[in-house]
Amino acid sequence: EPEVTQTPSHQVTQMGQEVILRCVPISNHLYFYWYRQILGQKVEFLVSFYNNEISEKSEIFDDQFSVERPDGSNFTLKIRSTKLEDSAMYFCASRSGTSYYEQYFGPGTRLTVT
Amino acid sequence: AQKVTQAQTEISVVEKEDVTLDCVYETRDTTYYLFWYKQPPSGELVFLIRRNSFDEQNEISGRYSWNFQKSTSSFNFTITASQVVDSAVYFCALSEDDNTDKLIFGTGTRLQVFP
Repeated sequence: EPEVTQTPSHQVTQMGQEVILRCVPISNHLYFYWYRQILGQKVEFLVSFYNNEISEKSEIFDDQFSVERPDGSNFTLKIRSTKLEDSAMYFCASRSGTSYYEQYFGPGTRLTVT
Repeated sequence: AQKVTQAQTEISVVEKEDVTLDCVYETRDTTYYLFWYKQPPSGELVFLIRRNSFDEQNEISGRYSWNFQKSTSSFNFTITASQVVDSAVYFCALSEDDNTDKLIFGTGTRLQVFP
């Protein structure tokens, strides 16, 4: 069964460093998302992406964040200058154009900022 | 504004007991979508069900069943004859039909099933 994959599974970085989290969505999916989950808290929407542009972003997704689909398979989330409060699990999700609203999630990348 | 409330923070049951996880939502839209996701200890989010606002028919899938009631804005999830493998955090989520499809999650209910 096709699945969303994410790398790395765990990333440790120092405050102020740039990180790139990578996702490979399901191959025929057209809509892509990033969510985050601070430890023990609920899952929060960050950004949605369709047709090579951002569809919507939350207030969390400030100028330090950016997303890109550099080729036909990868979908990346970049944090330019990490802060301690960026420590969280980051989930990538994707959905097809026909299965409206049914988003499939990747296993997540745990980001630890020290 | 859209909001999802899962009042039960944690529930503990013994195997084979039935358990119901509550979900109450708020939305101004007449068309919306409700979801349940399971997050096992390994951390991934597993899609369980999607329900459209115009379809109030309850659904059963094996030991799982969902009760959608628009009159009370609730979308409750029942596990019948619970098993240890059901231990996880369960999230209810809402998406409105307003040209955006972001999921708004509740705070989750941690279910522990003891043998």
